[in-house]
Amino acid sequence: EIVLTQSPGSLYVSPGERATLSCRASQSITNSYLAWYQQRPDRAPRLLIYDASTRAAGIPDRFSGSGSGTDFTLTISRLEPEDFAVYYCQQYGGLYSYTFGQGTKLEIK
Amino acid sequence: EVQLVQSGAEVKKSGESLKISCKGSGYNFIHYWIGWVRQVPGRGPEWMGIIYPDDSDTRYSPSFQGQVTISADKSISVAFLQWSSLKASDSGIYYCVRVAPDGTFFDFWGQGALVTVAS
Repeated sequence: EIVLTQSPGSLYVSPGERATLSCRASQSITNSYLAWYQQRPDRAPRLLIYDASTRAAGIPDRFSGSGSGTDFTLTISRLEPEDFAVYYCQQYGGLYSYTFGQGTKLEIK
Repeated sequence: EVQLVQSGAEVKKSGESLKISCKGSGYNFIHYWIGWVRQVPGRGPEWMGIIYPDDSDTRYSPSFQGQVTISADKSISVAFLQWSSLKASDSGIYYCVRVAPDGTFFDFWGQGALVTVAS
């Protein structure tokens, strides 16, 4: 099973600034099958990015994903108040195997 | 509009059984895999299993195989997650999810159902 490690655990950034979140896999992820989700307090997670860099429908272009192999990044430029939340990465390892990272909490500085 | 609407919060005792539900609408329910994800405080989400409603083909995470049963009733567009004998460690929030057409991520989520199991 592929293990995803997200860093940092908490990230403090000011509104209007850029945030960079990392997701590292224990082994290479096939075809960059890596997704990112946002979870606001007391809400279900919401899909932001899939296939490492494709934004989901309705997601603002200040959210961008990059990476391949074992290292992936979610970048949020020009942070808005509603962007302060927990972010999870998720990979598909084939044969109906899905794993999530432990999350990065993005907090207001 | 795609929607996954789950049944409400449950409070149970250890050893009791439970079945929670998730109704899909706004899309062709029988032709998308639908799954369940558990979330407990302080940990990332955990994928439990998925089912293809058209033929009830079901796949489980090794961590949850034998612990839960996933089923679906395609005539009413509802998926189910059930336990025959709950444990305190089953407490958490359970989300149903729609699996994207390529099978690699979850494009829609239900609102979640809080399950509390008292020991």
